[in-house]
Amino acid sequence: QSVLTQPPSASGTPGQRVTISCSGSSSNIGNNPVNWYQQFPRTAPTLLMYGNNQRPSGVPERFSGSKSGTSASLAIGGLQSEDEADYYCAAWDDRLNAYVFGAGTKVTVL
Amino acid sequence: VHLVESGGGLVRPGGSLRLSCVASGFTLGPYWVSWVRQAPGRGLEWVANINQDGSEKFFVDSVKGRFTISRDNAKNSVYLQMNSLSAEDTAVYYCARAIGISSCLWGQGTLVTVSS
Repeated sequence: QSVLTQPPSASGTPGQRVTISCSGSSSNIGNNPVNWYQQFPRTAPTLLMYGNNQRPSGVPERFSGSKSGTSASLAIGGLQSEDEADYYCAAWDDRLNAYVFGAGTKVTVL
Repeated sequence: VHLVESGGGLVRPGGSLRLSCVASGFTLGPYWVSWVRQAPGRGLEWVANINQDGSEKFFVDSVKGRFTISRDNAKNSVYLQMNSLSAEDTAVYYCARAIGISSCLWGQGTLVTVSS
């Protein structure tokens, strides 16, 4: 059971907007920035979003992040076939003194 | 600019392994470094991290007392010593620089298999 809760899957057709939710608590999302990672099969993860809504250099503008209270979300606006991957949210947890990940959301492009 | 993990392999239950994470093309010293693992077919699990001078270290509950993390900035390296290994520790182990800020960088991972 992950500390952060994500839906196991999400899907959309090319060009659609897809949103992935990440629910936590006051000790993690409620008090610390949320980061998102993208992982393609058989490859290492990469940082997709940091500090709730900051894109690292090279990440397309169609990716956006937000946070409200103890929940966060990642949106992919204008879904593309190359966005098919697993997406993980993460945040530091002050109560556990640990960095916690969600279980991951598999995005499928229909 | 790379992080390269090594030291993985097959180990019997109860055994030990020492993983290394070596930085290439940059100086690792200014960064927090984390170890994150991924069991076959499963999600990411943060294992441990260490601050720039090694004075602060944190571990996930499941490895406390069994794993230690250390670094040698002169060798541009971070290490994960894993003792009392069990099947539940079987995973690809990644090291990551600055896991939550823009300069985040992940290695390619090293596979640890615990089996008799």
